[in-house]
Amino acid sequence: AQSVTQLGSHVSVSEGALVLLRCNYSSSVPPYLFWYVQYPNQGLQLLLKYTSAATLVKGINGFEAEFKKSETSFHLTKPSAHMSDAAEYFCAVTASSGGSYIPTFGRGTSLIVHP
Amino acid sequence: KAGVTQTPRYLIKTRGQQVTLSCSPISGHRSVSWYQQTPGQGLQFLFEYFSETQRNKGNFPGRFSGRQFSNSRSEMNVSTLELGDSALYLCASSLATGTGPSYEQYFGPGTRLTVT
Repeated sequence: AQSVTQLGSHVSVSEGALVLLRCNYSSSVPPYLFWYVQYPNQGLQLLLKYTSAATLVKGINGFEAEFKKSETSFHLTKPSAHMSDAAEYFCAVTASSGGSYIPTFGRGTSLIVHP
Repeated sequence: KAGVTQTPRYLIKTRGQQVTLSCSPISGHRSVSWYQQTPGQGLQFLFEYFSETQRNKGNFPGRFSGRQFSNSRSEMNVSTLELGDSALYLCASSLATGTGPSYEQYFGPGTRLTVT
């Protein structure tokens, strides 16, 4: 079985400040990890994914995430927040379960950016 | 390349009715998955179709069903609607051909279903 925990349903930062969104996963087999962003009234858009090639993954819009196996974490960061980054962010994990790969999503973190 | 499209975007139904939602995947994508998104439960996986066959299924009652056509377009049906079925229903397509987990999904804008 696999699970994802996103710490903090809301994160508030000032424009220009560091963004850190936390994601911890649980998986009995090597996982594949994803971060998605959802803007109001839209579907989810992939930011980045980890597929075991490199532990530091760079994504779109200046976001990156680091896979830390010892901490079972995959936190999302961005050095400097922009107003346009305000959105809902979802961490997701897929791992084999009886030969199928059903993705599990975290509950989401709403990023609020103050001017 | 056109993205994933879902129709209709908004729908209001009454308890006990049934509803059919439609999803057209990105051209060339043969895997289509459906999710239910609610404030209380978050994103929950309904089912995945690949080459007209249901390949994976989430933990939803049999009132929720789907199908996929030969052109990869998919429909989702909910019968005997309940108030708790009010949600945003998202469709996602993927290039996944086998059962590998590394393929990212491309989501449509969703269908907002309100049950009164």
